Amino acid sequence: DAGITQSPRHKVTETGTPVTLRCHQTENHRYMYWYRQDPGHGLRLIHYSYGVKDTDKGEVSDGYSVSRSKTEDFLLTLESATSSQTSVYFCATLASLSTDTQYFGPGTRLTVL
Amino acid sequence: AQSVAQPEDQVNVAEGNPLTVKCTYSVSGNPYLFWYVQYPNRGLQFLLKYITGDNLVKGSYGFEAEFNKSQTSFHLKKPSALVSDSALYFCAVRDEFYTGGFKTIFGAGTRLFVKA
Repeated sequence: DAGITQSPRHKVTETGTPVTLRCHQTENHRYMYWYRQDPGHGLRLIHYSYGVKDTDKGEVSDGYSVSRSKTEDFLLTLESATSSQTSVYFCATLASLSTDTQYFGPGTRLTVL
Repeated sequence: AQSVAQPEDQVNVAEGNPLTVKCTYSVSGNPYLFWYVQYPNRGLQFLLKYITGDNLVKGSYGFEAEFNKSQTSFHLKKPSALVSDSALYFCAVRDEFYTGGFKTIFGAGTRLFVKA
């Protein structure tokens, strides 16, 4: 998994509570991504980062925010979790535009009750 | 907008038989296509990619994919399936951001079952 860890690996929370997921990489890759995986939808991009403090929205960004204060960490925050945000969340990295290949973390399974 | 479609939710094949997992794409410009595999409780792993050049691309674990421009397809193939190939397979295409980076757009996935 190319030195990518995600924490926590599993979380159960209640509707309306804030949740933060962490992605940590040791590869010094510039680009980082957060995806959610849901049956029948494959992986959908939530937010991405193209450098420290440089982030932008993906296709399903509503209800999510991100921060990247240093190269190795990319945080995903659900400000007020909803049941529709129950999903498996994957972090991914990309070294540079010339490499093409993304590396994925092991995933975080989030359940919002 | 770039997109890929995987028409089969599931593919069943007997061990030792050839397997094909289908993918079609819709892109503007030159396609950058990928196949990823996901084993249970794991993140996605890169299998192979097509950027340019030969239409037959070889990848990890004995997999290959055939790029067909006229049919806008990028099917994943393996001559002889193994039980251990059972997993979820994703076709994907690269799409570019205005910020200069790119993202990967994934198909819905095809679950492959290889029966002993």
